[in-house]
Amino acid sequence: QVNLLQSGAALVKPGASVKLSCKASGYTFTDYYIHWVKQSHGKSLEWIGYINPNSGYTNYNEKFKSKATLTVDKSTNTAHMELSRLTSEDSATYYCTNWELDYWGQGVMVAVSS
Amino acid sequence: DVVLTQTPSTLSATIGQSVSISCRSSQSLLDSAGNTYLYWYLQRPGQSPQLLIYLVSNLGSGVPNRFSGSGSGTDFTLKISGVEAEDLGVYYCMQVTHAPWTFGGGTKLELK
Repeated sequence: QVNLLQSGAALVKPGASVKLSCKASGYTFTDYYIHWVKQSHGKSLEWIGYINPNSGYTNYNEKFKSKATLTVDKSTNTAHMELSRLTSEDSATYYCTNWELDYWGQGVMVAVSS
Repeated sequence: DVVLTQTPSTLSATIGQSVSISCRSSQSLLDSAGNTYLYWYLQRPGQSPQLLIYLVSNLGSGVPNRFSGSGSGTDFTLKISGVEAEDLGVYYCMQVTHAPWTFGGGTKLELK
């Protein structure tokens, strides 16, 4: 069955970067975009953007264009999101999702603290 | 960006009670092709969001038919006809008509 397994949860220092991973299984990875969504603690959801695993084409929410970088590794069916120049505002749970099929990763927490 | 305003922010219900959640958009969600890309999600405690309703009124796969969606333009409603214990959590509306995609602030459904 379809599964999106996330990894990369971390406690990171301000100014550092973190790379989150989302390994897909149970479907043809290149057939569906991977989207990323941010959920700050106790708050609503924000759409970060998506990547087309087949072409590598990306589409970002303008708000996250200088914060997030989406990539894929087709050889391992894994999507990655790198978050740079981290601040406390980036502390949140991040989800990857195959939005079209409504499959979501379990979410990973990023905590930014010195 | 399109702002989706959900009311109420918290909803207390008893088992079996029918409830409604409103989602109002700052812009019409009807696109030039006649499609309205408004979705409803439920996030149970400690879980990822799951799709309930797509394109305003279509039930997601495996979603019980006590859930229904309606609306058009800028005003949308999710109705639960007979709340069950498994329905507790936070409900979000989401639009993908306009970039960037945006979510409502959420409505927490709790037991009275």
